Amino acid sequence: QQPVQSPQAVILREGEDAVINCSSSKALYSVHWYRQKHGEAPVFLMILLKGGEQKGHDKISASFNEKKQQSSLYLTASQLSYSGTYFCGTADYGGSQGNLIFGKGTKLSVKP
Amino acid sequence: NAGVTQTPKFQVLKTGQSMTLQCAQDMNHEYMSWYRQDPGMGLRLIHYSVGAGITDQGEVPNGYNVSRSTTEDFPLRLLSAAPSQTSVYFCASSSSSQGTEAFFGQGTRLTVV
Repeated sequence: QQPVQSPQAVILREGEDAVINCSSSKALYSVHWYRQKHGEAPVFLMILLKGGEQKGHDKISASFNEKKQQSSLYLTASQLSYSGTYFCGTADYGGSQGNLIFGKGTKLSVKP
Repeated sequence: NAGVTQTPKFQVLKTGQSMTLQCAQDMNHEYMSWYRQDPGMGLRLIHYSVGAGITDQGEVPNGYNVSRSTTEDFPLRLLSAAPSQTSVYFCASSSSSQGTEAFFGQGTRLTVV
C-alpha cells in the first residue's frame, strides 16, 4: 500500500518555507525522500532510519515519527532549484523485503 | 561512473508485441528494482531482485517478467504489450534495501499503440 503524501502541490515564493508530509499504515524500517525534476530521474535527498539515524542532504532536514509511521520533509528558505516533485519512499517489514514503496508525490513550485 | 544504465530511452510498440527493457548497473549492487511512473500515480514497484537468481513481485507485476542471471543486469520483459502499459519505466539499484540510497536510471518512455 502506497504511503500518503500531503499536500499534493504547493507554490512558494523564493525564501519561503514548506513542509511535506508522508504517512504509512505499516510499521516502517526507514523513510527515503527523493526529488524529481521534469523529464529526469528521481534524485536521492535523505534517508531516515528507525532508531533516529539520518543520512543525506546538508541543506534539507526531515523527521521520522516511528510510532506514528510518519515523516516530514522541511524545506527552508526555498530556492528556485527546489522546484520539482518530491516523493517519499517507505521500506517496511512486509513482502517487498524492504524495497521502496513510493507515495504519489508532492509538486513544489518556487517562484521568483 | 556509469551508474544505472537503461536502454532504450524511447520505444513505441504495437499492441501485442513483446519487448525487453534493459537495465545494467556497475556498482556491484545486490538490490535492483523496476518501477513504472504514470501521471498522478507516483512510482509503483513492478518487480525486484535481492540478488542474482532471486526475483519477486512488487505492487503491479501483471504483464511483466524479470530474471536476474548476473549481479549487473536486470531486464524487464513485456510479454504482450497493452496500451495500459504506456508509461515511463525506471530501474533502480542499491547496495541494500532499507538503509542505503537507491540510484535510478534515466528511464525508458514506452508508448503502446
